[in-house]
Amino acid sequence: QSALTQPPSASGSPGQSVTLSCTGTSSDVANYDSVSWYQLRPGKAPKLILYEVNKRPSGVPDRFSGSKSGNTASLTVSGLQAEDESDYYCSSYGANNKVLFGGGTKLTVL
Amino acid sequence: QIHLEESGGGVVRPGRSQRLSCAASGSEFRRSVMHWVRQAPGKGLEWVAAISYDGGHKYYGDPVKGRFTISRDNSKNTLFLQMNSLTVDDTAVYYCGRGLKDMSGPIDRWGQGTMVIFS
Repeated sequence: QSALTQPPSASGSPGQSVTLSCTGTSSDVANYDSVSWYQLRPGKAPKLILYEVNKRPSGVPDRFSGSKSGNTASLTVSGLQAEDESDYYCSSYGANNKVLFGGGTKLTVL
Repeated sequence: QIHLEESGGGVVRPGRSQRLSCAASGSEFRRSVMHWVRQAPGKGLEWVAAISYDGGHKYYGDPVKGRFTISRDNSKNTLFLQMNSLTVDDTAVYYCGRGLKDMSGPIDRWGQGTMVIFS
């Protein structure tokens, strides 16, 4: 069982928007603005796509956005493209200098 | 930009030890927090351990605490993970990653990973 809870799957059609959720607790997601999102494709290194809830590293399209409310963080992908099909993992800094990951959401572009 | 490359994975037997290495390019390594993260087959990412830029502070995930040791050699731009008392549950791809800012920061650079599997 992962420390953070993510739905196992999500889907959307090209051009649509989809929102992925990540639920933690008052000791991690709710207590810190240190939520990150990673894209993971088979055989490839994980890629950071959002950090500090809603900041995008250089090169990440602005179709990716993030937010947080209480102990739930969200990643929204707008204008879905086929290349967005991937596994997405959230992460949060937690109490006692721990780093927590979610179980991942498999995003399918229909 | 920092480039990371893991090595040391392979076939191991339960109860044995294995040491993973992560070679980093560039001068940023010695100023960076470094992490190990793993992904077991069919499972999600799991944080394993982290170390401060100077090696003075080390942090571990509960499943590996007391069995794994993270260390670094800044003179050789290399991160290590000594894994002892291995079990089948340690089967995974192990990634090293560079932490941005401090321990609470994201992992912004990752290696391609090295696989540890059990015979």
